[in-house]
Amino acid sequence: SQQGEEDPQALSIQEGENATMNCSYKTSINNLQWYRQNSGRGLVHLILIRSNEREKHSGRLRVTLDTSKKSSSLLITASRAADTASYFCATDEGSNTGKLIFGQGTTLQVKP
Amino acid sequence: DAGVIQSPRHEVTEMGQEVTLRCKPISGHNSLFWYRQTMMRGLELLIYFNNNVPIDDSGMPEDRFSAKMPNASFSTLKIQPSEPRDSAVYFCASTFQGSSGEAFFGQGTRLTVV
Repeated sequence: SQQGEEDPQALSIQEGENATMNCSYKTSINNLQWYRQNSGRGLVHLILIRSNEREKHSGRLRVTLDTSKKSSSLLITASRAADTASYFCATDEGSNTGKLIFGQGTTLQVKP
Repeated sequence: DAGVIQSPRHEVTEMGQEVTLRCKPISGHNSLFWYRQTMMRGLELLIYFNNNVPIDDSGMPEDRFSAKMPNASFSTLKIQPSEPRDSAVYFCASTFQGSSGEAFFGQGTRLTVV
């Protein structure tokens, strides 16, 4: 079963706009990660946020984590056509084995 | 490092045939994961290894699926016999247990069973 559930499933915006994707999960976690997948490619790690962190930034990416609500959001600011991809959240379900459980993903289309 | 290397990139096989997917993890990584991705079910964890030992294979769909990791630099996922519903993209990923947890994915093997 999938741990994370992303929302929305699909998002279409214009270049320059911000894109926000949400992720909900069910179990306790040590950290939550976001990955990106371009069509036909493998997943690429974007950012990791630990359970004791509430917000983290990396370039145009901003991730928030609310452990009381078991939810996270990924914000991409000033989007570009090259940001078009699928975005997945992943959690470790509180284990230290490196195991990651992925959500269903949000497909983002950025129109030039 | 060349990253996680999977082979083949594409595989088309007939129903009933044996299929073997291969993965070379990043050197120094001690955890390896096999995932399957389909439109209907998303990204599913099939099995993972720590230090070459299978830890959790609860995601393996049926006995037709088996995975091995004979050494730290090589793993295989075998399907025997294959069925059309096994058609999917299979990803291998590796990480260093005890690190930040970032997983590195291969480019995947697109399997089509006809």
